[in-house]
Amino acid sequence: KQEVTQIPAALSVPEGENLVLNCSFTDSAIYNLQWFRQDPGKGLTSLLLIQSSQREQTSGRLNASLDKSSGRSTLYIAASQPGDSATYLCAVSPSGNDYKLSFGAGTTVTVRA
Amino acid sequence: SAVISQKPSRDICQRGTSLTIQCQVDSQVTMMFWYRQQPGQSLTLIATANQGSEATYESGFVIDKFPISRPNLTFSTLTVSNMSPEDSSIYLCSVYRPENTGELFFGEGSRLTVL
Repeated sequence: KQEVTQIPAALSVPEGENLVLNCSFTDSAIYNLQWFRQDPGKGLTSLLLIQSSQREQTSGRLNASLDKSSGRSTLYIAASQPGDSATYLCAVSPSGNDYKLSFGAGTTVTVRA
Repeated sequence: SAVISQKPSRDICQRGTSLTIQCQVDSQVTMMFWYRQQPGQSLTLIATANQGSEATYESGFVIDKFPISRPNLTFSTLTVSNMSPEDSSIYLCSVYRPENTGELFFGEGSRLTVL
């Protein structure tokens, strides 16, 4: 059974500092990995999708890397802003035709002004 | 991306009652997914809703408690039946875009509080 872990569970940084969020998974046979953002009491917003054949994806200030062999992904957020305060979740998709994603518990980020 | 509308966005319900959550997608999809997020927890898949067939439920979830309808390729409902305080959660509808294990998109969620 795939297990997804996100460390740390919470993170507080001053505005302008770079954020580094970690995601690890136990089964390296994944199809893709996705990072989401969730604001309190709301749904999830897709940030980045990395296919298993890729090593990284970038969107604006966000960069996500994937090391399948070691079962790790890292989300970097450059020059953090108070608006980046949210919970960030990673999820892995199994290979084959199984559509069930395995989610991490998330990292709650607070960016202090 | 995908535009997914959920109603209601939030509700406060009495123990023993039932509530139906609606999910509307901006284009046709084969599968729609219903997730639950209990307070402070991550997401758990409840079931997969396929048009024209019975929903497929995950372990720990049963049709009598969470009946699902899928009348067409853009709409689905999830009912939470005979609610108890343990059902207080955010319920989320999601679809893949493109389908066949592409990127997963979520609705805004329906936040239910059961008293």
